[in-house]
Amino acid sequence: EAGVAQSPRYKIIEKRQSVAFWCNPISGHATLYWYQQILGQGPKLLIQFQNNGVVDDSQLPKDRFSAERLKGVDSTLKIQPAKLEDSAVYLCASSSTVRDTEAFFGQGTRLTVV
Amino acid sequence: AQSVTQPDIHITVSEGASLELRCNYSYGATPYLFWYVQSPGQGLQLLLKYFSGDTLVQGIKGFEAEFKRSQSSFNLRKPSVHWSDAAEYFCAVGAENTNAGKSTFGDGTTLTVKP
Repeated sequence: EAGVAQSPRYKIIEKRQSVAFWCNPISGHATLYWYQQILGQGPKLLIQFQNNGVVDDSQLPKDRFSAERLKGVDSTLKIQPAKLEDSAVYLCASSSTVRDTEAFFGQGTRLTVV
Repeated sequence: AQSVTQPDIHITVSEGASLELRCNYSYGATPYLFWYVQSPGQGLQLLLKYFSGDTLVQGIKGFEAEFKRSQSSFNLRKPSVHWSDAAEYFCAVGAENTNAGKSTFGDGTTLTVKP
């Protein structure tokens, strides 16, 4: 079974530029998450999708971050414009149902904002 | 709201020695508890989880954890550490009856294994 795929693996941008990350969850997984992991900290949930609907985006900085999962499969997370403090690893995870017992994480995208 | 504290930022053990990583949580009801491992450049891999029942939980790679409600703790243990166990370990807590992926993570403990 293929795991959660994310791209790109690394990205370096200048502040005020925009950037997008892509995630392909495990086939059949209805629930998808985006996490932000700042160096030296644990992952922090940004947004949770159930199929193509948003379940929880309370921690998403909506003035600059946006995410979509239009067809209930792949998802894109965008930052526009980026700030220095957005430098982090962005992790995507998926799980099969709303109340399942395990989420599967991708390898993440490491973003550096200079 | 739930929270997790991992008191040890960095731990060094010798190969073959025993290991205990501490985790304290704060949550008003019955928590869902998880331990994940993250190797450099990799995503998080679930080691074990506790939802209910037996308070001693067995996981992959020879790890176990014990849920102690009275101490609000969920410490991770391994009797004999291997060099390949060097990684970062995260404890996480989730609310009862919510998705396992919707968790609050601690800031992690980095494990170094000496030869």
